[in-house]
Amino acid sequence: EIVLTQSPGTLSLSPGERATLSCRASQSVSNSYLAWYQQKPGQAPRLLIYGASTRATDIPDRFSGSGSGTDFTLTISRLEPEDFAVYYCQQCSNSPFTFGQGTKLEIK
Amino acid sequence: QVQLVESGGGVVQPGRSLRLSCAASGFTFSNLAMHWVRQAPGKGLEWVSVISGDGNNKYYADSVKGRFTVSRDNSGSTLYLQMNSLRAEDTAVYYCARRNVAGYFYGMDVWGQGTTVTV
Repeated sequence: EIVLTQSPGTLSLSPGERATLSCRASQSVSNSYLAWYQQKPGQAPRLLIYGASTRATDIPDRFSGSGSGTDFTLTISRLEPEDFAVYYCQQCSNSPFTFGQGTKLEIK
Repeated sequence: QVQLVESGGGVVQPGRSLRLSCAASGFTFSNLAMHWVRQAPGKGLEWVSVISGDGNNKYYADSVKGRFTVSRDNSGSTLYLQMNSLRAEDTAVYYCARRNVAGYFYGMDVWGQGTTVTV
């Protein structure tokens, strides 16, 4: 089983700032089959990024993903008020399709 | 529009069974693998199971293997999760999700609103 570790656990930033979220895998994620999701309280997760760097439909271009192998990053270039939420990475290469424990992005 | 609607959640005693359903609409259900993902209160997301579009291939998380069974009715565009021998640690919101139309290994692009199971 691939274990994903996200850091930091909580990130406190202000609107307009840049956010960098990390996801590290215990073993290489094949073909960069790594996805990122955003979840707000009381809502289902929303797919942001798949294949490590491809934005999902209707996702603003301030969201970008990068990385390969075992190290992946989600970057939000300029935070908008609606971006404050919990973010999860997920490896989609091998069953079980594990999630990271999440990074909470909170308003400073 | 594309929609997934879960049902069947509720309060159940340990050791008992429950069956969740997920009604799909707005897309060709039989073409896409479907997932179940759960979230315990105040916790993160946990992948539970996936079933291929034709129903022939199924995979499970170790935590539910041997107790949960995923199935689907393509004629009725419905996904199921049969949960047996339920434990307190199965308490969670259960989401069904569609595999990304961009490809099997590209995550889940449509999610239901979730149904709550309390054991």
